[in-house]
Amino acid sequence: TVVTQEPSFSVSPGGTVTLTCGLSSGSVSTTNYPTWYHQTPGQAPRTLIYSTSARSSGVPDRFSGSILGNKAALTITGAQADDESDYYCALHMGSGIWVFGGGTKLTVL
Amino acid sequence: EVQLVESGGGLVKPGGSLRLSCAASGFTFSSYNMNWVRQAPGKGLEWVSSITNDNYIYYADSVKGRFTISRDNTKNSLYLQMNSLRAEDTAVYYCARSEGGFTFWGQGTPVTVSS
Repeated sequence: TVVTQEPSFSVSPGGTVTLTCGLSSGSVSTTNYPTWYHQTPGQAPRTLIYSTSARSSGVPDRFSGSILGNKAALTITGAQADDESDYYCALHMGSGIWVFGGGTKLTVL
Repeated sequence: EVQLVESGGGLVKPGGSLRLSCAASGFTFSSYNMNWVRQAPGKGLEWVSSITNDNYIYYADSVKGRFTISRDNTKNSLYLQMNSLRAEDTAVYYCARSEGGFTFWGQGTPVTVSS
């Protein structure tokens, strides 16, 4: 099973963007515990959202997670320059197995 | 303050072995599931292995039979024994705590498999 993400996305400063995380076969649900991370070059990943919509400690409420249709979604409102980053989702596929998406490169311009 | 500090990475020849360690502090280590996630140069994140707080163990197919995850709750430490290493195992290896997803990460330790 492949976890799909948009390879790239752009948003204007102050704008809103929704990144998605889907499955090559089937729908994403809360039982996949969708989780979202961002990572800047040379740094460790940082968790934004876990268990679909729970915000990790210290993450501003500009970041929110949800299920939209058959995909998990990460919405960023009021985009800022330092939101420019790689964003990864991960899904629990059962039997203890996790699969990451290929990542979305977000540009703020 | 929650901290995860990985160590043990380095340069190893194909077919060789390495043991990674992750020292945890700032939380009740024995209560949490723990994981290894890796990232090859210029690539995305790849889940490697998990061990639950009650010692259930899971591996990605790419490392099954070659890597062994373990934990020592008396030392607040997580380990990854990596045997029969291949060039494609070259990556930064991150230790991560999980609760409904990977919720806290270490800074990673680099592993290079090359002759």
